[in-house]
Amino acid sequence: AQKVTQAQTEISVVEKEDVTLDCVYETRDTTYYLFWYKQPPSGELVFLIRRNSFDEQNEISGRYSWNFQKSTSSFNFTITASQVVDSAVYFCALSEARRGFDKIIFGKGTRLHILP
Amino acid sequence: GAGVSQSPSNKVTEKGKDVELRCDPISGHTALYWYRQSLGQGLEFLIYFQGNSAPDKSGLPSDRFSAERTGGSVSTLTIQRTQQEDSAVYLCASAPGQGNSPLHFGNGTRLTVT
Repeated sequence: AQKVTQAQTEISVVEKEDVTLDCVYETRDTTYYLFWYKQPPSGELVFLIRRNSFDEQNEISGRYSWNFQKSTSSFNFTITASQVVDSAVYFCALSEARRGFDKIIFGKGTRLHILP
Repeated sequence: GAGVSQSPSNKVTEKGKDVELRCDPISGHTALYWYRQSLGQGLEFLIYFQGNSAPDKSGLPSDRFSAERTGGSVSTLTIQRTQQEDSAVYLCASAPGQGNSPLHFGNGTRLTVT
């Protein structure tokens, strides 16, 4: 079954610390896409990244980096030198090719508090 | 250049009444999704449209929920005989293609059933 698990419900770190948000997924497909979205206090979800299942290269974008490991079905997200503006709820999501990519399933999200 | 627009932004209704939530996607986006976000919960998939057709309605929680999309554009989510457990933020998202495209979300409609 298609499933996304974000075991960390809430995390608090002090500004400038590094923090990793975990995402574990389940799928029977060999072709799928993984996503991360950010929901700041304003409420609107913002797309951060998309990876397809054939590309296991880690990706870095500024202070953000993503570690995709098919062996452990994980797609973890690390924020380096966190800032107060990073405070938000972060969602991991999965889309399967078998279903024609028509359904995107989200995890329950991790609420991240960056303390000044 | 507008994003996804949802209306109303807030809706308070009495239990048993019907409500309609509207979503106006980004122009040209063929895919449209409805999700529900309850307090402390993730995004619960409700329904997906490709054009005017809904190939996946599996997430609709009960037959009180229905949705339609006309002209490949605006979509309406209707909840009949609302219950208190329907209280949530209803989010709409659109995308230029199928599910491998990043979603563009609206700000949501906060529904409160009293």
